Amino acid sequence: GAGVSQSPSNKVTEKGKDVELRCDPISGHTALYWYRQSLGQGLEFLIYFQGNSAPDKSGLPSDRFSAERTGGSVSTLTIQRTQQEDSAVYLCASLLADTQYFGPGTRLTVL
Amino acid sequence: GEDVEQSLFLSVREGDSSVINCTYTDSSSTYLYWYKQEPGAGLQLLTYIFSNMDMKQDQRLTVLLNKKDKHLSLRIADTQTGDSAIYFCAEKFDTGRRALTFGSGTRLQVQP
Repeated sequence: GAGVSQSPSNKVTEKGKDVELRCDPISGHTALYWYRQSLGQGLEFLIYFQGNSAPDKSGLPSDRFSAERTGGSVSTLTIQRTQQEDSAVYLCASLLADTQYFGPGTRLTVL
Repeated sequence: GEDVEQSLFLSVREGDSSVINCTYTDSSSTYLYWYKQEPGAGLQLLTYIFSNMDMKQDQRLTVLLNKKDKHLSLRIADTQTGDSAIYFCAEKFDTGRRALTFGSGTRLQVQP
C-alpha cells in the first residue's frame, strides 16, 4: 500500500490480558517508531528500530511492553497483562530521510 | 531538556487566518514539524522547516521560526471548515534515536 498501515484499528480487551498490535511500514523506509497517544495528550515515544541495530527501547513505560521487527519490515508491539492505564491510541511511523509518516493508529481500550 | 508547548484551543471564523503557536526549549533541534490530526485519524504531515530557516510557505500554510525566542508558528490563510482538527508541532534532534518530541496539540475550530 501507499502508506503505513496498522491493525487492528480498534482493540477492546480485559485487564490482565495480553495484546499484540501490528504495524506495516512503507516499503523502503529505513526506520520504524512506536508512539502512544493518551486522551488529550501529545505523542509519547515508545521504541525505535533502525535497520539491524539494537532497538532503542528507552521510551517503553514498563517491562510489560515489548516490540519486535521481523525482516526489517513488519513490527509487532506486545503489551502483557494489560492495565487500564494502557488505554490509548498506539501510533506507528516509518521514516524516510528526515520525515516520519504515521499510520492511522490502533485504539486500545482496557476494561 | 525537551519540552514543547502549545495552547490548547483556537477558534476562528471561516475565511479568516489562523495562527497556531508553539514554543520549545531545546535549541539543538534540527527540524520542526507541523502535523494535523483529524478525528479518528492518524497524523498527517503538513509541513516542516529546517532550523536554519526563518520562514517557509506552502500554498495556504506559512511557517515562521524564531530561533532566538524558540518560537514556531503555523499560519493558515483563508481557513476552511475542513481545517478543523488538532495541530501538533514537533521537534527532532540530529543525534540519537531521532524520535520526535510533540506538543500536546492545539484544537482548531473553524466556525462557518
